[in-house]
Amino acid sequence: AQKVTQAQTEISVVEKEDVTLDCVYETRDTTYYLFWYKQPPSGELVFLIRRNSFDEQNEISGRYSWNFQKSTSSFNFTITASQVVDSAVYFCALSEARNNDMRFGAGTRLTVKP
Amino acid sequence: KAGVTQTPRYLIKTRGQQVTLSCSPISGHRSVSWYQQTPGQGLQFLFEYFSETQRNKGNFPGRFSGRQFSNSRSEMNVSTLELGDSALYLCASSLAGASPYNEQFFGPGTRLTVL
Repeated sequence: AQKVTQAQTEISVVEKEDVTLDCVYETRDTTYYLFWYKQPPSGELVFLIRRNSFDEQNEISGRYSWNFQKSTSSFNFTITASQVVDSAVYFCALSEARNNDMRFGAGTRLTVKP
Repeated sequence: KAGVTQTPRYLIKTRGQQVTLSCSPISGHRSVSWYQQTPGQGLQFLFEYFSETQRNKGNFPGRFSGRQFSNSRSEMNVSTLELGDSALYLCASSLAGASPYNEQFFGPGTRLTVL
């Protein structure tokens, strides 16, 4: 069965610090998709990135970067030079190719202090 | 392009009652998925509808049901409400839903409180 673990429940940093959010997943499928979502206080989940299991290239988008390593079943998310607006709960999620059941991790609450 | 809308945004019910939540997907999206979010259990998948058919279902009791209309709008119903049903219910729509590769766009959620 698919499973996503986000071991960090809460992280607090000071503005301009870099922060990495960890995500470890389990699946028996060879084809799967990994996602990161941001949930600000308003409650709406905001899509950040999608990665399929055959694409291990790391990705950078502005201050955001993602490190996908199949060897360790990890899909970590780094925010460089964090800002107060980055404060939110971040969810990592996994979806196997054979179904549309997106399995979410417990989330990491990030607080960026000015 | 309007996003996913959910109504109502907030709802208070008492135990034993039933409730119906509504979700209007993004225009052109045919897949609608529902999720329950609670502090204890996190985000859990309820079910997915595609072209008016339930295509996938999570591990929830039969008190949780849903349907999708021909215009892709979806409703979910919870009967015989329990205190543990208090949660944020999120709806997500995607273009085709044939593969999880399709990005899911989430609505703002309906916060249900059961007293």
